[in-house]
Amino acid sequence: QSVLTQPPSASGTPGQRVTISCSGSTSNIGSNTVNWFRQLPGTAPKVLIYSNNQRPSGVPDRFSGSKSGTSASLAISGLQSEDEADYYCAAWDDSLNGHLVFGGGTKLTVL
Amino acid sequence: QLQLQESGPGLVKPSETLSLTCKVSGGSISRSTYYWGWIRQSPGKGLEWIGSIHYSGSTYYNPSLKSRVTVSVDTSKNQFSLKVRSVTAADTAVYYCARHYCGADCYPDHWGQGTLFIVFS
Repeated sequence: QSVLTQPPSASGTPGQRVTISCSGSTSNIGSNTVNWFRQLPGTAPKVLIYSNNQRPSGVPDRFSGSKSGTSASLAISGLQSEDEADYYCAAWDDSLNGHLVFGGGTKLTVL
Repeated sequence: QLQLQESGPGLVKPSETLSLTCKVSGGSISRSTYYWGWIRQSPGKGLEWIGSIHYSGSTYYNPSLKSRVTVSVDTSKNQFSLKVRSVTAADTAVYYCARHYCGADCYPDHWGQGTLFIVFS
């Protein structure tokens, strides 16, 4: 069972806007920034969003992140077929000397 | 361009020790802004953070794995390593090494391709 809670699945049609939620606690999301990763089948995860809402160079502005209290969300607008992947949130957790925690992942299906 | 490459035996028997090394190229491991760590993914499952190390030797570990795990660094070879003791079938996973950017907090910003490690009897 993951420390951060994500819905196991999400779906949308091309062009649609979808959001993926990530719920934590005061020791992780409530105290630190949230990062989002995308994992295409058979490949290593890549950073999609860091520090709650920052995009690395090369990530289109269709992807956006936000955080409020102990929850965060990833929004994808103008959904495309290539967005079909697994999405993970992660945050540093200050408990027990500090460690990184992940969400269980959300499989996004483009219908 | 930064590259991280995992290496190590792909098979180990239960109760033995898993040993993996991550060779870093295209950048120095001895930069204060970064930690270097390991993340694993069991077949069909999500990501599990294992631990990370700074070139100075400072470490962080997943509390659930801390008693069996050691992450070490060799700055002369620009690489870092992972040891997991007393492995069981539950340790079968793809193991990724990753650079962690540590500003206000830390997150893995650059990943290796991953290597599959199987525990078999």
